[in-house]
Amino acid sequence: AQSVTQPDIHITVSEGASLELRCNYSYGATPYLFWYVQSPGQGLQLLLKYFSGDTLVQGIKGFEAEFKRSQSSFNLRKPSVHWSDAAEYFCAVASGGGADGLTFGKGTHLIIQP
Amino acid sequence: GAGVSQSPSNKVTEKGKDVELRCDPISGHTALYWYRQSLGQGLEFLIYFQGNSAPDKSGLPSDRFSAERTGGSVSTLTIQRTQQEDSAVYLCASSLIAKNIQYFGAGTRLSVL
Repeated sequence: AQSVTQPDIHITVSEGASLELRCNYSYGATPYLFWYVQSPGQGLQLLLKYFSGDTLVQGIKGFEAEFKRSQSSFNLRKPSVHWSDAAEYFCAVASGGGADGLTFGKGTHLIIQP
Repeated sequence: GAGVSQSPSNKVTEKGKDVELRCDPISGHTALYWYRQSLGQGLEFLIYFQGNSAPDKSGLPSDRFSAERTGGSVSTLTIQRTQQEDSAVYLCASSLIAKNIQYFGAGTRLSVL
């Protein structure tokens, strides 16, 4: 069965500093990978996705992620965080068939220090 | 156009009562998904519809849970004889086709007293 691990439950960074959120997945074939963000009381908003092709993908709000098959990782990065980036971030994997839905990691809570 | 709409946004019920949660997907989206988000379990996939059909119901937590979708559009998740452990946020998502990007609603927060 597929699984997703986000090793960091909480991360605190200063405004303007760079950010990297870690995500490791377990899946037998080429995965479909996603990063979603959730603000308090809100649903999930897609930041970016990887289906195939270029392993460095760009998303909204200045985020990017890199798919590394050899490390089974799909880490999310941002060069300079803003206070509005404070939220919960979820990495997810989907099987090729789609019928299994998304498997999510436990999430990383991002705190921005002024 | 409008996003995924879920109602009610909040539901408080007494243990043992039945509840119905509604999801209105983005118009034209053929795939619809239900998830549950709780502190202990994180985000769990419950069930998926392609059109009106749910190929696999094994993700539903117990036989008290059921879901249906009619007209290839609105879906209802029903929980019978609610228990305190059913307290969670229930999220619905839709996508144009299976394997595509899923767009999420804001969720229904269910509290079972």
